[in-house]
Amino acid sequence: DAGVTQSPTHLIKTRGQQVTLRCSPKSGHDTVSWYQQALGQGPQFIFQYYEEEERQRGNFPDRFSGHQFPNYSSELNVNALLLGDSALYLCASSLVLRGDPYEQYFGPGTRLTVT
Amino acid sequence: RKEVEQDPGPFNVPEGATVAFNCTYSNSASQSFFWYRQDCRKEPKLLMSVYSSGNEDGRFTAQLNRASQYISLLIRDSKLSDSATYLCVVSSGRRALTFGSGTRLQVQP
Repeated sequence: DAGVTQSPTHLIKTRGQQVTLRCSPKSGHDTVSWYQQALGQGPQFIFQYYEEEERQRGNFPDRFSGHQFPNYSSELNVNALLLGDSALYLCASSLVLRGDPYEQYFGPGTRLTVT
Repeated sequence: RKEVEQDPGPFNVPEGATVAFNCTYSNSASQSFFWYRQDCRKEPKLLMSVYSSGNEDGRFTAQLNRASQYISLLIRDSKLSDSATYLCVVSSGRRALTFGSGTRLQVQP
């Protein structure tokens, strides 16, 4: 049973550039959430995609955008990168109709460094 | 005030000790509660869901007090492999998880 996968694992960008991160959910899951984790902090919710639509969004600027594809995989795009965007970006998948209370399973993350 | 507050630690305990972590949350509409474990530079992994009746999974026991908006995690007979950061997590619906900043545990031989 394939778990959540993310690519790339590491990325170095310079200020002002744009970046795209990718996520494939766990087999059988239909919902993808993205989180940003700065060093020493807990993950912070960016947004969630279900049925190819953004369903909820956290307190992040419009520079952060995303997409979900028909196969449930997802992309996170960040434009006009700032130094403060350096973080571990985590993708989590879940199944909306599952009986368990909203458990989300995380991928290994993409570590983004902005210089 | 943060939505989910945890003591950052670190908690340094000897092998075999019992250790307890506490967490408070501010959103009374929160419906689901979890403990996640995160090893250094790895992704968070679900440790256990937390129910009002309390629940136990081996050496781990979680309790929820909705009236006080308080969640706890008890680890008995600590192992070296329990060393990690423990994240308290709440959710108010089928959407976002709200994480605390985590409590770091270091179990020493």
